[in-house]
Amino acid sequence: KAGVTQTPRYLIKTRGQQVTLSCSPISGHRSVSWYQQTPGQGLQFLFEYFSETQRNKGNFPGRFSGRQFSNSRSEMNVSTLELGDSALYLCASSLMGGNTGELFFGEGSRLTVL
Amino acid sequence: GENVEQHPSTLSVQEGDSAVIKCTYSDSASNYFPWYKQELGKRPQLIIDIRSNVGEKKDQRIAVTLNKTAKHFSLHITETQPEDSAVYFCATSSTNSGYALNFGKGTSLLVTP
Repeated sequence: KAGVTQTPRYLIKTRGQQVTLSCSPISGHRSVSWYQQTPGQGLQFLFEYFSETQRNKGNFPGRFSGRQFSNSRSEMNVSTLELGDSALYLCASSLMGGNTGELFFGEGSRLTVL
Repeated sequence: GENVEQHPSTLSVQEGDSAVIKCTYSDSASNYFPWYKQELGKRPQLIIDIRSNVGEKKDQRIAVTLNKTAKHFSLHITETQPEDSAVYFCATSSTNSGYALNFGKGTSLLVTP
């Protein structure tokens, strides 16, 4: 069974630009969640989607948004990029959600904002 | 939101020794407590988890203990090996946080031969 796939793996943007990251979950998994990982802050929850509905959102500004498609693939978007948005963005899929069992993480999309 | 504190931030042990990482949480409604291991340059992977109706769980050399009264839980690794070197994250989830996991900031464990 294929794992969680994230694209692109690496990207460099400049301040003010926007970026879209993509995540394909494990087949059969309906929950997709996104986390921001930075060296000082660990993993911080961005949002979680289940069957195309956002069920929970973390404490991030409105510049961070996401969506999930009918095939469970998910995208997240960051608009008006700031230097502090530089991070590894991890997507994780699970059958029903993070507190019901194991999260399977992708390898992440490493975003550098210059 | 939930505040999860993890200690220590770095831990160095000799091969064969035990390692203990402790996390404290604030939300009394927390009911799920997983531990993830992230090797350098790799994705986080679940190594063990425990639910609030269980006080202890073991899986070979690793174990997790939960003290709901004190709101803390710990990861114990016995007979450490160099391949145990990684960053370990604790996390919690509660009925208040929905389907989100609240992670600690991680413990960098180094096992020296």
